Amino acid sequence: AQSVTQLGSHVSVSEGALVLLRCNYSSSVPPYLFWYVQYPNQGLQLLLKYTSAATLVKGINGFEAEFKKSETSFHLTKPSAHMSDAAEYFCAVSDPSNFGNEKLTFGTGTRLTIIP
Amino acid sequence: DVKVTQSSRYLVKRTGEKVFLECVQDMDHENMFWYRQDPGLGLRLIYFSYDVKMKEKGDIPEGYSVSREKKERFSLILESASTNQTSMYLCASSLLGRTTSGANVLTFGAGSRLTVL
Repeated sequence: AQSVTQLGSHVSVSEGALVLLRCNYSSSVPPYLFWYVQYPNQGLQLLLKYTSAATLVKGINGFEAEFKKSETSFHLTKPSAHMSDAAEYFCAVSDPSNFGNEKLTFGTGTRLTIIP
Repeated sequence: DVKVTQSSRYLVKRTGEKVFLECVQDMDHENMFWYRQDPGLGLRLIYFSYDVKMKEKGDIPEGYSVSREKKERFSLILESASTNQTSMYLCASSLLGRTTSGANVLTFGAGSRLTVL
């Protein structure tokens, strides 16, 4: 079974500061990993994904994440926070051996607040 | 622009009522999913379907059923709604099989917020 743990249900950063959202995974096989973002009153949209190619993955809106197998982590970062980054962020994992039916297992989410 | 459309954004129902949540996608995706989103619990998979008339239970199927009569439509059914089914329900779809970049990406609808009184 796979799972993800997101450390910190709420994170606040000042505008212009570094954003760091933490995600650790548990998987018996090398996983696929994802970060999704949910803006208020909207569904989820993909920020970025790791599928065993480059360990540093760049996504939309200036976000990136690094897959670290030794730490079983996939933390999300952005060098400089913008007010528009305020949202809820979800880390998710899937099993690549589950061919075709990519069910995702989601973390509990981190709500990011940006302080002006 | 590709879309997953959930017909009802907000619903209020009474305990014991039968509830239908409808989801339609226009991307010709084989896979469709229903998730439930609750504060502090994240998203939990209720059911998914990888083909017409095919369905598999997710992590929390109790109290729910689904119907997929057409490829583009996936319905979630609450046979007898209860207050503990008050939640946000998210539909998603994806392609079957692999893309050249690896994992297929789920495309989500905007959600249906259900309140059961």
